[in-house]
Amino acid sequence: DVKVTQSSRYLVKRTGEKVFLECVQDMDHENMFWYRQDPGLGLRLIYFSYDVKMKEKGDIPEGYSVSREKKERFSLILESASTNQTSMYLCASRSTYGYTFGSGTRLTVV
Amino acid sequence: GENVEQHPSTLSVQEGDSAVIKCTYSDSASNYFPWYKQELGKRPQLIIDIRSNVGEKKDQRIAVTLNKTAKHFSLHITETQPEDSAVYFCAASKGSGGSNYKLTFGKGTLLTVNP
Repeated sequence: DVKVTQSSRYLVKRTGEKVFLECVQDMDHENMFWYRQDPGLGLRLIYFSYDVKMKEKGDIPEGYSVSREKKERFSLILESASTNQTSMYLCASRSTYGYTFGSGTRLTVV
Repeated sequence: GENVEQHPSTLSVQEGDSAVIKCTYSDSASNYFPWYKQELGKRPQLIIDIRSNVGEKKDQRIAVTLNKTAKHFSLHITETQPEDSAVYFCAASKGSGGSNYKLTFGKGTLLTVNP
């Protein structure tokens, strides 16, 4: 089974802090994704990557950046956290059998 | 870009009844349509998917139908059980090559199966 591991289950950060959310997959997948999940809004794509150092904006990239230096690791960066970035963040990795999601990081910005 | 609409947002059924969730998509180039189930506090998990060269696919109590002309697809759950209670998401993608692999999700349907 594919494992997609997100480094933190819960995070509390202060407004203005730089925040790093880490995601690691163990199956050498090329495609990795970051979504945020909010009640009533479903899953919205922030950024994705289809190879090392390759990244593309999703539907809501403002306020975020990403880094993919190694194939197994895809990081989401909040340059200056704001309260409207309080959300559940889900990482996913894609194989020919579909997406596998991580357990999610619930981020609270205070 | 792609837009996926999902209805209803909530659905309550009695155990043993059938449940149907419907989705429409906007991009006629989309050709891959998965469905995910998310139980409370857990990650979304793929339960079934369909590609545009197929009109229907079944897996035990769940089935998905696709109408490419009308750009809509549906999830059917028969003989519902309390453990089917969850949020269900539909999604669409173009399915091949680089950025085409990104999935656009519907907003989800909270299904409650009452014993």
